[in-house]
Amino acid sequence: AQTVTQSQPEMSVQEAETVTLSCTYDTSENNYYLFWYKQPPSRQMILVIRQEAYKQQNATENRFSVNFQKAAKSFSLKISDSQLGDTAMYFCAFMKHGGTNFGNEKLTFGTGTRLTIIP
Amino acid sequence: EAQVTQNPRYLITVTGKKLTVTCSQNMNHEYMSWYRQDPGLGLRQIYYSMNVEVTDKGDVPEGYKVSRKEKRNFPLILESPSPNQTSLYFCASSLVGGGDSPLHFGNGTRLTVT
Repeated sequence: AQTVTQSQPEMSVQEAETVTLSCTYDTSENNYYLFWYKQPPSRQMILVIRQEAYKQQNATENRFSVNFQKAAKSFSLKISDSQLGDTAMYFCAFMKHGGTNFGNEKLTFGTGTRLTIIP
Repeated sequence: EAQVTQNPRYLITVTGKKLTVTCSQNMNHEYMSWYRQDPGLGLRQIYYSMNVEVTDKGDVPEGYKVSRKEKRNFPLILESPSPNQTSLYFCASSLVGGGDSPLHFGNGTRLTVT
């Protein structure tokens, strides 16, 4: 079974600064996906960024980037030039790759990091 | 607009009174799933469905039922709710069940069982 660990329950940072959220995971799978989801106070679950394990290049989406260390099973999220709208709960999640036979490729979530951006 | 619609958004009920939380998607997705979110536990999968009439248990299925009679709908049924089912529930769907197909979430249903 897979596990996802987010060791920082809460973080805060000044607006415009850079912040890094940590995530580690445990799996025996070699091929999988990793995700960061954002949950603002509105409760929506919003996909921030996705990484495929077989790709060595770290994924980026505008101000959001990841540091994917496959050997260390680490998947941190860096938010640059943080904005007030980044205030949210952030979840790291794992999904194994089903290959050509899709089964229940469920998401296994971490417990979340509550990020507050301070004006 | 492509979306996953859950209803109701908030629900307060009493122990033992059967309830249904509806979920509908308009994207012709094959895969649908229910999660519950609890503080300190993240989101955990309750049930999933790979297609019409194909459903199976997730990690925490006890006390829940689902059905998938039509592709667009995937209701979550609590036959006899108990206080430990007080939680935030999310329905999600994707084109197929893999990571290449983004998972779309509904806006959540906050359930309180007294």
